[in-house]
Amino acid sequence: SQKIEQNSEALNIQEGKTATLTCNYTNYSPAYLQWYRQDPGRGPVFLLLIRENEKEKRKERLKVTFDTTLKQSLFHITASQPADSATYLCALAKPGGYNKLIFGAGTRLAVHP
Amino acid sequence: GAVVSQHPSRVICKSGTSVKIECRSLDFQATTMFWYRQFPKQSLMLMATSNEGSKATYEQGVEKDKFLINHASLTLSTLTVTSAHPEDSSFYICSALRIGGPLDSNSPLHFGNGTRLTVT
Repeated sequence: SQKIEQNSEALNIQEGKTATLTCNYTNYSPAYLQWYRQDPGRGPVFLLLIRENEKEKRKERLKVTFDTTLKQSLFHITASQPADSATYLCALAKPGGYNKLIFGAGTRLAVHP
Repeated sequence: GAVVSQHPSRVICKSGTSVKIECRSLDFQATTMFWYRQFPKQSLMLMATSNEGSKATYEQGVEKDKFLINHASLTLSTLTVTSAHPEDSSFYICSALRIGGPLDSNSPLHFGNGTRLTVT
């Protein structure tokens, strides 16, 4: 079955540094991959989508890479701020269900002033 | 931007009662909505796909008679947890598929803010 793995340990970094989060997947060849932010008690908020034929996508301070050979995506937040503290979820489309998403458990990021 | 509203945001009910959760797309039509469940510190688990005007499609292991889904209009899907038990306590989240939404820089899926269900 399809499996998505994200670092379960919380990531603690200092304000201003770059945060890097990892998403690995197995038994899968997704057409695209998405990253979401989730705050406690709230629904996910879409951040970035990257297609299988794209190596990198950027949006403001965010950057996502997608390596289909390694079956891995990296999510970077540069010049991190305390307001970036949240849980970040990686999501892939289920086989045969283009908009049916399978989510990783997420990595909690804490940015300290 | 597209907005999806979920109601109620929190509900506490007694064991054996039924609870209805609404998911509305406020500024777009959605023929398809998805229902997820999330336990603490775990990933969102897809429960079912709600299709306007037809029966919902349930994921493996999800009881369709327990989690009744109705998608009566292009802007509203409801999830009813029937005969709720404490193990049904969870965070339920819906998402709506925006028709014609671009899939290059924006996701066509828009999520509600979830409903925290506590069954006592």
